[in-house]
Amino acid sequence: KAGVTQTPRYLIKTRGQQVTLSCSPISGHRSVSWYQQTPGQGLQFLFEYFSETQRNKGNFPGRFSGRQFSNSRSEMNVSTLELGDSALYLCASSLYNEQFFGPGTRLTVL
Amino acid sequence: GEDVEQSLFLSVREGDSSVINCTYTDSSSTYLYWYKQEPGAGLQLLTYIFSNMDMKQDQRLTVLLNKKDKHLSLRIADTQTGDSAIYFCAETSGSARQLTFGSGTQLTVLP
Repeated sequence: KAGVTQTPRYLIKTRGQQVTLSCSPISGHRSVSWYQQTPGQGLQFLFEYFSETQRNKGNFPGRFSGRQFSNSRSEMNVSTLELGDSALYLCASSLYNEQFFGPGTRLTVL
Repeated sequence: GEDVEQSLFLSVREGDSSVINCTYTDSSSTYLYWYKQEPGAGLQLLTYIFSNMDMKQDQRLTVLLNKKDKHLSLRIADTQTGDSAIYFCAETSGSARQLTFGSGTQLTVLP
């Protein structure tokens, strides 16, 4: 069974731009969560989607948004990028209690 | 908010056992997890335990949970150089799937 895939793997943007990251969960998994990982703040929860509905949201500004499609694929968008948004963005898919992570998208904001 | 804490570093000799410790504050934690992260990679789920269990064993991995003290540990038997990585403890609370992570423990296995 294929694992969680995330595209792109690496991204370089400049301040003020916006970015869209994509996540394809494991086949049959309907829940997708997003996390941000930085050296200073560690791993922080962004949001969770289940059956195209946002079920839970972390403490991030409104510049961070997401959505989920009917095939469970998910995208997250960050608008008006700031230097502090440079991070590894990880997506996790789950069916029950196990959450499986993708390889992440490394975003660098210059 | 709720907190999960881990020591930052651990060094062991190849072939020895490693014990990585974690404490958490959320008394309503339902599941507790251990993840492994190698450089440049995502998180690999190693094992997890339901909060009403005391112990879980999976090949070289043993998880111990002391719910009274809110203390979780991961023991790796016969530690190998390939086990060198950062290990994260995480918990979920109630029915939510949101993971709250510790800061990670860097395990270094010396030959």
